[in-house]
Amino acid sequence: EIVLTQSPATLSLSPGERATLSCGASQSVSSSYLAWYQQKPGLAPRLLIYDASSRATGIPDRFSGSGSGTDFTLTISRLEPEDFAVYYCQQYGSSPGGTFGGGTKVEIK
Amino acid sequence: EVQLVESGGGLVQPGRSLRLSCAASGFTFDDYAMHWVRQAPGKGLEWVSGISWNSGSIGYADSVKGRFTISRDNAKNSLYLQMNSLRAEDTALYYCAKAPGSSPLFQFDYWGQGTLVTVSS
Repeated sequence: EIVLTQSPATLSLSPGERATLSCGASQSVSSSYLAWYQQKPGLAPRLLIYDASSRATGIPDRFSGSGSGTDFTLTISRLEPEDFAVYYCQQYGSSPGGTFGGGTKVEIK
Repeated sequence: EVQLVESGGGLVQPGRSLRLSCAASGFTFDDYAMHWVRQAPGKGLEWVSGISWNSGSIGYADSVKGRFTISRDNAKNSLYLQMNSLRAEDTALYYCAKAPGSSPLFQFDYWGQGTLVTVSS
């Protein structure tokens, strides 16, 4: 099973700043089958990025994903007030459902 | 508009059973794989089970294998999760999630709002 480790656990930033979230895999993720989700309190997760760098429908272009192999990054170019949330990475493609990382909380500084 | 509405959660004693349902609308249900994902209170996401469009491919997390059974009724646009021998550690919000393709080997592009399962005596 591929284990995903997200860092940092918490990121304290101000609106307008750039956020860089990392997701490391214990082994190579095939075909860059990696997704990022955003979850706000009391709501279901929302798909942001799939296949490591493709934005899902309706996702603003301030969200971008990059990486391959075992190292992946989610970047939010300029944080908006609505972007403060918890972010999860997920690898898929190697087994049904795949695995999730432990999450990164982006909080207001 | 894609809608996934879960139901069937509640308070149940350890060792008992519960059946969750997910009613889907707004898309051609039998074209897509479906999944159950859970989230324990204050914790992260855990994939539970997934099923391909025609039920030909099914998978379970090790933590529920042998106790939970996923199924679907394409004629009723519905997904199910039969949960037996429930344990305290199964306490979580259970989400129904849709895959963007017919295979369960994909990400989840739409999620329901979840149904809460509490296992306690």
